[in-house]
Amino acid sequence: QKEVEQDPGPLSVPEGAIVSLNCTYSNSAFQYFMWYRQYSRKGPELLMYTYSSGNKEDGRFTAQVDKSSKYISLFIRDSQPSDSATYLCALHTQGGSEKLVFGKGTKLTVNP
Amino acid sequence: DAMVIQNPRYQVTQFGKPVTLSCSQTLNHNVMYWYQQKSSQAPKLLFHYYDKDFNNEADTPDNFQSRRPNTSFCFLDIRSPGLGDAAMYLCATSREGYYNEQFFGPGTRLTVL
Repeated sequence: QKEVEQDPGPLSVPEGAIVSLNCTYSNSAFQYFMWYRQYSRKGPELLMYTYSSGNKEDGRFTAQVDKSSKYISLFIRDSQPSDSATYLCALHTQGGSEKLVFGKGTKLTVNP
Repeated sequence: DAMVIQNPRYQVTQFGKPVTLSCSQTLNHNVMYWYQQKSSQAPKLLFHYYDKDFNNEADTPDNFQSRRPNTSFCFLDIRSPGLGDAAMYLCATSREGYYNEQFFGPGTRLTVL
């Protein structure tokens, strides 16, 4: 079993739709949970991070962590064509090495 | 603006011909990383520097080497590129202890002919 599993999609939605992106993980030592957005032919950029179980909201984006189920989600409300990108979850253990473990990424297309 | 810069953005090399990719940062971060990313795959960590301490991933081929002459610069050397080494190479930096937020450069896309 891989440490982090992420459905690669692709996912295609109409503008204005609510998008749900998900990752599951197997290592309970992961304590920091991040979502990176990667536009085509660009480097990933940090979108959101969470530490504890629960929800964290930033504008149209909500990150959700359920440590008991080892499941993390990113919700995008009122999706826009500019949200079209690949979304990567990334996990980190507290007090461990300086390394992140990335999911494969989900490619999202928002159609006008 | 503080940033991570990678040069060149696109690199074409021939099978077996050594190539060097460069990364520089103005963030003054002490940790620097090199990732390999192939199409539709997660970034794969090749190695990272914690200050001057070099940390190689166990499955990174010997064909890949790195140098970090100072805090700002880091280089990725591919001694004898094979067709399987064609990929996007991403450089990233982070500040020790800051929940490991990594700042990525735009990447160098390597083509091997």
